Amino acid sequence: GESVGLHLPTLSVQEGDNSIINCAYSNSASDYFIWYKQESGKGPQFIIDIRSNMDKRQGQRVTVLLNKTVKHLSLQIAATQPGDSAVYFCAEIPSYNTDKLIFGTGTRLQVFP
Amino acid sequence: SAVISQKPSRDICQRGTSLTIQCQVDSQVTMMFWYRQQPGQSLTLIATANQGSEATYESGFVIDKFPISRPNLTFSTLTVSNMSPEDSSIYLCSARTGDEQFFGPGTRLTVL
Repeated sequence: GESVGLHLPTLSVQEGDNSIINCAYSNSASDYFIWYKQESGKGPQFIIDIRSNMDKRQGQRVTVLLNKTVKHLSLQIAATQPGDSAVYFCAEIPSYNTDKLIFGTGTRLQVFP
Repeated sequence: SAVISQKPSRDICQRGTSLTIQCQVDSQVTMMFWYRQQPGQSLTLIATANQGSEATYESGFVIDKFPISRPNLTFSTLTVSNMSPEDSSIYLCSARTGDEQFFGPGTRLTVL
């Protein structure tokens, strides 16, 4: 079956450094990818998305990179702040069923001073 | 965007009982979803709830255990029936508007 998974379950970075969170997906036909941030006790919050016809998209302090050749997705956070501490999920909408949003396993980002 | 609220935010229940979770969206949406999130884990889709039709359940989830209602375009309920401790989890409501999918704060359920 298809899966969306992450390489690093926990990432610790120093405040001000850049963070890179990685995600691998297995469904090469997937069309749309989303990164979510989930803080403790809250639901996931949309950060940024990217379609399969793009390889890079930038937001405010965040950049998502998509490498379709190796089926890899990454989220880069510039100048990481304590408020960035959370669990980050990549999610995928497979082309065979665009109703479904499938989540990866998640990476916990810890920011220390 | 869409703002989603859930009730209750948390509950502690006895095994064998049932709990109905309510989800309210502040705008009309076509697609609503229910997810389960075990502590420290990712989100698993339970079912898709569309107004005017029966919910579509994912593998491993059945209507008898998780009946869902979708009476209109802003509201849905999920019932966790005949609960056991294995049902202890966070249950999240979600709604899609356009390409974006939003989530409620979740209902933390503990079954004793």
